[in-house]
Amino acid sequence: NAGVTQTPKFQVLKTGQSMTLQCAQDMNHNSMYWYRQDPGMGLRLIYYSASEGTTDKGEVPNGYNVSRLNKREFSLRLESAAPSQTSVYFCASSERTRLAKNIQYFGAGTRLSVL
Amino acid sequence: GENVEQHPSTLSVQEGDSAVIKCTYSDSASNYFPWYKQELGKRPQLIIDIRSNVGEKKDQRIAVTLNKTAKHFSLHITETQPEDSAVYFCAASRFGRGSTLGRLYFGRGTQLTVWP
Repeated sequence: NAGVTQTPKFQVLKTGQSMTLQCAQDMNHNSMYWYRQDPGMGLRLIYYSASEGTTDKGEVPNGYNVSRLNKREFSLRLESAAPSQTSVYFCASSERTRLAKNIQYFGAGTRLSVL
Repeated sequence: GENVEQHPSTLSVQEGDSAVIKCTYSDSASNYFPWYKQELGKRPQLIIDIRSNVGEKKDQRIAVTLNKTAKHFSLHITETQPEDSAVYFCAASRFGRGSTLGRLYFGRGTQLTVWP
């Protein structure tokens, strides 16, 4: 069981370039999330998908798009990268448990620098 | 929406001492409160959680308390060790039916340093 797998691990972009961050989970979870982590700002939700076929905006969606390709995969796209998007990006997945918990499992992260 | 505030932002303790991190939340309908630990360069991982129908929960050296009336919850670590050094995040969630429910609202994190 790999859990949540993110690719790439590191990426350097020039301002204006585009790229897609990939995320896949093998736990058969319905819900998936994209966060960005900046120093002192904690984990801020960009977009999430409660189930296959649905996506919703989080706290900081501007400049990003997402695609829930199937139950396993949830990608994050930067159409025109800006230096303000330099951050560490985490993908996560979760499933409601019988005890009504929402345990989120995180990927290893993608460290993105936009020059 | 929910707003979670976490204090302090940094905490330094001597090995063997106790550490306490506090969080407050704004939405009285929130009913699930997890704590995540993130070691340097690693991913966040759940260490303990509590539901709103419970006032306290313990797991070896860590415990979480919840005061629903005051809308605050705390993480307590006893007999701290250097390997407890990490960033700790609290979160709140309103768990139930519907696509927007179950989303976690995170605090900004506390950098805990345990000195040997």
